[in-house]
This record gives sequence, structure tokens and C-alpha cells, in this order.
Amino acid sequence: DQQVKQNSPSLSVQEGRISILNCDYTNSMFDYFLWYKKYPAEGPTFLISISSIKDKNEDGRFTVFLNKSAKHLSLHIVPSQPGDSAVYFCAASANQAGTALIFGKGTTLSVSS
Amino acid sequence: DVKVTQSSRYLVKRTGEKVFLECVQDMDHENMFWYRQDPGLGLRLIYFSYDVKMKEKGDIPEGYSVSREKKERFSLILESASTNQTSMYLCASSYPTSGGHKQYFGPGTRLTVT
Repeated sequence: DQQVKQNSPSLSVQEGRISILNCDYTNSMFDYFLWYKKYPAEGPTFLISISSIKDKNEDGRFTVFLNKSAKHLSLHIVPSQPGDSAVYFCAASANQAGTALIFGKGTTLSVSS
Repeated sequence: DVKVTQSSRYLVKRTGEKVFLECVQDMDHENMFWYRQDPGLGLRLIYFSYDVKMKEKGDIPEGYSVSREKKERFSLILESASTNQTSMYLCASSYPTSGGHKQYFGPGTRLTVT
């Protein structure tokens, strides 16, 4: 059973517009959420994270929103740029030392110019 | 600058061969992980290790084993490679903190088993 779900396999957005990537989770013990970005033939790179005690975290063009009651988080990219085209993975963890991350299946974002 | 390196970017092996994938991190991290990434399946955890000589099974350990003799090195072993093990293999490391478990990934090894 998938604990972290990214229900949209792909998303296409025009340059300059907002990209919204969604992620749902089922495990109420998760207390930390991360977004990773992956280009083809490269390893994932950390993008932004949020603790469950917050509902928003912002870093430049990237903002993550967390709705604990709905067990839902989203990543907003504003404005979107062609270089943002990549696969985005949502991940979650429970607050234990060394706990492995649980990843979603990813959403492929394509930003056209 | 943090760094996780993997021994090969691309590897082609024959069915039945024993395959070693090496991962080295220079951040003195306690935790190390091996994932495989397949289209439509995301990142799936194969094995992880909390410390030297310690290992834990992930979600898909069948057909794999691991070795961690030194803190900085974590090896993934395919005892007898099969075609369904053709995949992108990703190594990661992290430091156990209470503030989330940010993992640093290597560049990946694209393994093809023919």
C-alpha cells in the first residue's frame, strides 16, 4: 500500500506560469516532508522541506504547503522556468533517527518556453 | 561540498554474473541507502545501513545483498544478475538528526543486464 502518493504522473506548464505539484500521504506518523528534483541520468537533489509543525515553507521561487488535516502537501513553483523541467519526488519521514524516506512515484514537469 | 560517488555511471552485465555496485560518501554520515528507480515506480528502497556492519532490508531486498565494512562505503551486490534487475541504482547518505532526514544522492548507476 502506497503511503506517499503523487497521483499526477505528468504536468505541463508554460514558462512564467505557476506549477503546482501535489502529494498525498496516508501515515499520520509522518512529521517531515521533502521534495526532490531529478534530471535524467542524475541523482535526485534536495529542493525544499517542511516540518509538520508548519503549514508553509518558502525558498525563492519554491513554496511548499502542508495541510495536515487533509494529509496533503503541494509544491508551488513561481514563475516556472524551462530549467525546472524534471521529475519531482515527494518524500516523507517519521521522526526517528536514521529512518528511511518514503518516496512517491514522481511527477514529470515540463515547462515550455 | 557534500559528495556521494558511485563507482560506475553505466554498467552492462550478463545474466548470472555477480555484480558489485560501490558507493562512497565523504560527509561522515551514519546512514546509507540503496534505491532503484524504474519508470512509473519511483524510488524503491533496497537496503539501508545505520552503521558499520549493520544492514536493514528495505522494500525490495530480494536478489540483493549489501556490505558496509567502513563508514564511508556501502556496497550493493547482485549475487546472480537477472534481466529484471536492469534499472537505475541510486545510493544516498544522511546524518541522523531530528530535523528530518535529508538524504544526499549519488549520480546513479544505469545497470543493464542482458
